Amino acid sequence: SQQGEEDPQALSIQEGENATMNCSYKTSINNLQWYRQNSGRGLVHLILIRSNEREKHSGRLRVTLDTSKKSSSLLITASRAADTASYFCATDGYQAGTALIFGKGTTLSVSS
Amino acid sequence: NAGVTQTPKFRVLKTGQSMTLLCAQDMNHEYMYWYRQDPGMGLRLIHYSVGEGTTAKGEVPDGYNVSRLKKQNFLLGLESAAPSQTSVYFCASTLAGFAEQYFGPGTRLTVT
Repeated sequence: SQQGEEDPQALSIQEGENATMNCSYKTSINNLQWYRQNSGRGLVHLILIRSNEREKHSGRLRVTLDTSKKSSSLLITASRAADTASYFCATDGYQAGTALIFGKGTTLSVSS
Repeated sequence: NAGVTQTPKFRVLKTGQSMTLLCAQDMNHEYMYWYRQDPGMGLRLIHYSVGEGTTAKGEVPDGYNVSRLKKQNFLLGLESAAPSQTSVYFCASTLAGFAEQYFGPGTRLTVT
């Protein structure tokens, strides 16, 4: 049972454009995290946002969290070809703080 | 500081064979996890450990066993491999259950 569901499943944009992907979840959370996975590699943590935060920035990344709608969004500004990857949201709804639940991911393709 | 390492990187098994996947971390993390990743399914938690000598079942534990005899190592065993276990396996570790997870590079397993 997966808690987070990313939308869209796939996104294709040109370099320089912004990319927005969304994550919806079902139960209350303490925090939500976003990860990136380049093809054939392990996941890399991008950003963590706590349930009492509404927005967080890290470089070209902007994450928002709306706990009333049980949703989060990840915005990548001024996309580069190197941003081509799959992006996953993960929530802490599993077994009371022992493990994360990952969504199925959004595959982002940035063409030059 | 190698982070999280996984051995082997690739393996082909015949149905019914057994094998052990090794995950090692050098960050003194308490929590360790085994996931499998299948196309279109995201990451699914197999087993996890919240400390040396402890293990617990995740979302898809059937057909797998684990052991955490040393804090830095987490072993995943397949006693009798089945084609349904063809997947990419990722190990991850973290300091605490809700915190950022660090992933290994993955093991690509094919069962014929």
